[in-house]
Amino acid sequence: DGGITQSPKYLFRKEGQNVTLSCEQNLNHDAMYWYRQDPGQGLRLIYYSQIVNDFQKGDIAEGYSVSREKKESFPLTVTSAQKNPTAFYLCASSIGGAAEAFFGQGTRLTVV
Amino acid sequence: KQEVTQIPAALSVPEGENLVLNCSFTDSAIYNLQWFRQDPGKGLTSLLLIQSSQREQTSGRLNASLDKSSGRSTLYIAASQPGDSATYLCAVRNYGQNFVFGPGTRLSVLP
Repeated sequence: DGGITQSPKYLFRKEGQNVTLSCEQNLNHDAMYWYRQDPGQGLRLIYYSQIVNDFQKGDIAEGYSVSREKKESFPLTVTSAQKNPTAFYLCASSIGGAAEAFFGQGTRLTVV
Repeated sequence: KQEVTQIPAALSVPEGENLVLNCSFTDSAIYNLQWFRQDPGKGLTSLLLIQSSQREQTSGRLNASLDKSSGRSTLYIAASQPGDSATYLCAVRNYGQNFVFGPGTRLSVLP
């Protein structure tokens, strides 16, 4: 089955910890994206990558980091510099930057 | 800067009704527009993608229209069912830009 897999589904972070969210796709898509979703707000773009070994900051990149070493993988690290990390995180991919986007099932991150 | 709004924020209808969800955007120079469905606690499911050159797209009971000049898109759902209950999001992409999402319309279809 082709698709986008995000793990874990739920993640708990202590104050001051870095955590990494996984996103893997087997759709052979070049472009991958990370979004953050907060209650009552639209999705906001954190980082995106159009090609392997290249990525760009989105609208709310502060406190986050990414890597794109493989076409199928685009992990997101939430660092201790992100002051309000509790949110629902969504990963997406598309064939190209202007094509239809497909999403994973999300990771809910909670600071404890 | 592109801004996307969706009206209404929430909608509750009895089963069987036809309904229309609205999406408005401020910059009409769009490349495409995509409608998504999101169930509680889940990711987004793609429903329809409309390119800027198209006026509408259809999939089953869903029909999405696009009027670029007025900055509007509508999602028409025919013969609504309780299983259609979800949040519906529209996302707009301008040339050379990433998607900008609206806040969504939360739909409840009552049996």
